Amino acid sequence: SQTIHQWPATLVQPVGSPLSLECTVEGTSNPNLYWYRQAAGRGLQLLFYSVGIGQISSEVPQNLSASRPQDRQFILSSKKLLLSDSGFYLCAWTLGETQYFGPGTRLLVL
Amino acid sequence: GNSVTQMEGPVTLSEEAFLTINCTYTATGYPSLFWYVQYPGEGLQLLLKATKADDKGSNKGFEATYRKETTSFHLEKGSVQVSDSAVYFCALRVRGSQGNLIFGKGTKLSVKP
Repeated sequence: SQTIHQWPATLVQPVGSPLSLECTVEGTSNPNLYWYRQAAGRGLQLLFYSVGIGQISSEVPQNLSASRPQDRQFILSSKKLLLSDSGFYLCAWTLGETQYFGPGTRLLVL
Repeated sequence: GNSVTQMEGPVTLSEEAFLTINCTYTATGYPSLFWYVQYPGEGLQLLLKATKADDKGSNKGFEATYRKETTSFHLEKGSVQVSDSAVYFCALRVRGSQGNLIFGKGTKLSVKP
């Protein structure tokens, strides 16, 4: 069966520091992968999606970037975090019609 | 364009009450429709889905029927439990969209004993 992992689970970072969040998928190959952000009390915002290694589409311009160095690995990065980057970051992958989500990373920027 | 509109929350119910969370959509083409649930501190889990008009998705006592004529996919449960307290998201996927989902803003449900 397929599983999706995200780490870290929780992260507290100072403003201006770099960020790297990792997502890996097991049990499938060549998945479509997604990064979402959920700000406190708000809905889901699609940040990036990828249909293959090295292929990244950005939905919202911002100081975040994404990379897909391997088929089942998706990384979300920032060179300098802003206060507004705080939120709950969710990785997801698609199997057919359905999208499955990881457990999420809670990021607090202080 | 494509969009999903959910009823605003929070919704507070007593245990064993009937639940309805409204969801309507606008879409080009024929979308698939989904309900996801997010329990406190966790990621989203697929609750149910429907891929064509008049389909009924069901899971864990929850149901939703794909109504093309009213462009709706309302979530219902006959008798809620405290453990159903969560945020519920309605979503659609238009075919050919590379799996991209469009989500509603979510509705927070609190069930009191």
